[in-house]
Amino acid sequence: SAVISQKPSRDICQRGTSLTIQCQVDSQVTMMFWYRQQPGQSLTLIATANQGSEATYESGFVIDKFPISRPNLTFSTLTVSNMSPEDSSIYLCSVEDPGLAGGGPYNEQFFGPGTRLTVL
Amino acid sequence: AQSVSQHNHHVILSEAASLELGCNYSYGGTVNLFWYVQYPGQHLQLLLKYFSGDPLVKGIKGFEAEFIKSKFSFNLRKPSVQWSDTAEYFCAVNTGFQKLVFGTGTRLLVSP
Repeated sequence: SAVISQKPSRDICQRGTSLTIQCQVDSQVTMMFWYRQQPGQSLTLIATANQGSEATYESGFVIDKFPISRPNLTFSTLTVSNMSPEDSSIYLCSVEDPGLAGGGPYNEQFFGPGTRLTVL
Repeated sequence: AQSVSQHNHHVILSEAASLELGCNYSYGGTVNLFWYVQYPGQHLQLLLKYFSGDPLVKGIKGFEAEFIKSKFSFNLRKPSVQWSDTAEYFCAVNTGFQKLVFGTGTRLLVSP
């Protein structure tokens, strides 16, 4: 398993500003994921972040709006840029199971506690 | 695109009642299936998973789920719920490439 922490746990931001969310894992993992959970809705994958390469974004999400960094195997950041009230969501970081040697396409994921963002 | 449907958005049960939460997915290929649970104020955590083999899988806290390929379903069950099972339950499907597709979630409230 993996222990994941996120900072901040919550924030209230003004329209037009940007917020960077940090995700720290207690073990080295190849793949990290960023999800969004809008009020009353399910989790939606924003992007996959691999160390040493550009993040891969899902349909509907772009790098200019959600730039991601992955400087090493235990850390990633997601920035929500030029925020609007529609960006109010819970943002979650997850990682694949680091305990499975060689990885694989069907590993379970472990989730962080989330960052609750409110944009006014 | 793959999708996951959870038919019950809110479920209210009394303690000791039996629970079944429905989950259907749309994908014709090989899938791996998961149920995650989020207790109030806590992280999402894995309840159980199906990768292959016996379609009836057992998870933590007395939960089980049955994969029925012909029905594209992976329903979650527990014979007797407890107040501590109050939580939100998410069904998720992984069709490869590490991408999880989640259902909309079911909020379960168990009254003592």
